[in-house]
This record gives sequence, structure tokens and C-alpha cells, in this order.
Amino acid sequence: DGGITQSPKYLFRKEGQNVTLSCEQNLNHDAMYWYRQDPGQGLRLIYYSQIVNDFQKGDIAEGYSVSREKKESFPLTVTSAQKNPTAFYLCAVGREGEQYFGPGTRLTVT
Amino acid sequence: DAKTTQPTSMDCAEGRAANLPCNHSTISGNEYVYWYRQIHSQGPQYIIHGLKNNETNEMASLIITEDRKSSTLILPHATLRDTAVYYCIVRGAASNTGKLIFGQGTTLQVKP
Repeated sequence: DGGITQSPKYLFRKEGQNVTLSCEQNLNHDAMYWYRQDPGQGLRLIYYSQIVNDFQKGDIAEGYSVSREKKESFPLTVTSAQKNPTAFYLCAVGREGEQYFGPGTRLTVT
Repeated sequence: DAKTTQPTSMDCAEGRAANLPCNHSTISGNEYVYWYRQIHSQGPQYIIHGLKNNETNEMASLIITEDRKSSTLILPHATLRDTAVYYCIVRGAASNTGKLIFGQGTTLQVKP
């Protein structure tokens, strides 16, 4: 964290609704990442972007979408197509193995 | 990226050194060893990384064996705030995706 902001910290939604999670950075990194963490589990990569206006699917991209219109911002939309959206979502910036993570957003869908 | 094996959990007394081991017997020559930690309900925090030489920074020291098949993260004077899950990750210098593969890690409990 420090230069990485994720908001909100907690988010509650009804099933069937799309929801957008915010990630903003002022660390001037080109590369940004979205990970998902389930209880007691490691992190799994959802999407990543190595430069503005470009992004790639990670290992579990189904049901998610992203945009990268600005270097500072990489919002993640959790769509109604995501079957199990309740999780802890983490945004990271950095290059190669040295990545810096935001504080995370805990999403609960009921 | 090579697979890593870490103990599930460890305890350490406050003020003592915490030594966290990691086995990575299939590591290849261009793969680095990275350490992260995750305090409960927070994002992971980068600690240190190395290729083959031992490394030290303000947070920790990293000792890599000569054959590079294992490493140890050392927190020289553990405090209660060091209680966290510690992840050892082996990764090539350049990756198509840049992703980090987090395993189960070691849960370190620092006790008063």
C-alpha cells in the first residue's frame, strides 16, 4: 500500500449485480495486476496490464472485466457471470517479482 | 516457475530470531527466490529477494544454499507485529505475465 489505493475496503452486493472495484496508484508503475484470494488460499491472478490501453487475462478471468485508460488506474468489474464472486480482491503494481499490493477490497455477494 | 515447499506453521518467541525455511529443489539457474508476507486481512508485503548471494535489507536477511535448492528467511529480532503468513516464491527474472504464484506459505506466530 502507501501509493496504492483500493476502495472501498468492504463491499456488499446482491447476486446478479455488476460491481466495480477501484485501484489507483501514484507509484508511476506501468504494470498493474488484479488478484483474488479465497479464505485460507493463496492469490490467483485475474487480469494484468503491462501498459496503458493494454491488458491480458490471467488464470481466472472468466466473469471479470478490466480497463486501463490511465496509467494510474486499473478498475476491475465483477460481473453477474462470475459464479463465486465473494472473495478478497487485491490490486498490485510493480515489475517482475517485486510487486506492491494495495490494502484490498473484501467483496461479499449474497 | 519452480515449486516451493514450506512448513505449514512455526512459532517464535518475541525478540528472538525467526528462521523460516523454504525448499526449492527444482529451481533453475535464472530463477530468483522472493519472500513476501501477509498480515491478517492485509495485502501481501514484499520482503526481499535473491538469486544466489545472501541478501540483507532493513526487514530481513535471505540465506540461499550454495546449490540453491533451499533458502532461509531470517527475521533477526521478531516482534508481535511480525506474526503473518510468509510466502516463498521462486520465479524467473522475466515472465510473460508478471504474475506471482503464492502457495500456502508458513504461518509464523510470534509469542510474547
